[in-house]
Amino acid sequence: DIQMTQSPSSLSASVGDRVTITCRASQSVSSFLSWYQQKPGEAPKLLIYAISSLQSGVPSRFSGSGSGTDFTLTISSLHPEDFATYYCQQSYTTPALTFGGGTKVEIK
Amino acid sequence: ELQMVESGGGLVQPGRSLRLSCAASGFTFDDYAMHWVRQAPGKGLEWVSGISWNSGNIGYADSVKGRFTISRDNARNSLYLQMNSLRAEDTAWYYCAKDHMLVPGTGTFFDYWGQGILVTVSS
Repeated sequence: DIQMTQSPSSLSASVGDRVTITCRASQSVSSFLSWYQQKPGEAPKLLIYAISSLQSGVPSRFSGSGSGTDFTLTISSLHPEDFATYYCQQSYTTPALTFGGGTKVEIK
Repeated sequence: ELQMVESGGGLVQPGRSLRLSCAASGFTFDDYAMHWVRQAPGKGLEWVSGISWNSGNIGYADSVKGRFTISRDNARNSLYLQMNSLRAEDTAWYYCAKDHMLVPGTGTFFDYWGQGILVTVSS
């Protein structure tokens, strides 16, 4: 199975900060990389698919980039509602779809 | 409004069985593959199983293969997960998740999720 490693596992940031989360795959996943946001007590929510395509309704302050094995989720200016845990997910190899371990974004 | 509601969770003893259900509404259920994804308390997400629109393509995580069976009833807009020989490590929130494609595979992502149902395996 492809292993997905996120860094950092947690970070503290302030409202208005630019935040970058990294996801590294153990082998190339081509363009089959998605990002999810999960708030406490809630189900995950799709933010980005195919590396950089924004899901409908997701604010434009969220963006994704990368290729092959290294990917980034960027929040250009952190809003109060963005404090959550973020997960990457690959679907290059199936059926073994795998997620990263998560990055918790906390209030500084 | 698109909605998926899981049911059937609860406390079960190790070695016993449980069947989860997911009732879907607000979209054409048989146009999409469906999945189960779980999350142990305080842990990350783990894909469990996926099924194509016509049940012709099914996959399982190694951790549940041979113990869990996914199925769907398109006439009832429902997804199911039969869980047998349950272990303590199966304790988790189980989410029903919609794929954006007909068949789970390369390019799959989960565009809508249910609210989840808790399964606790303990004596």
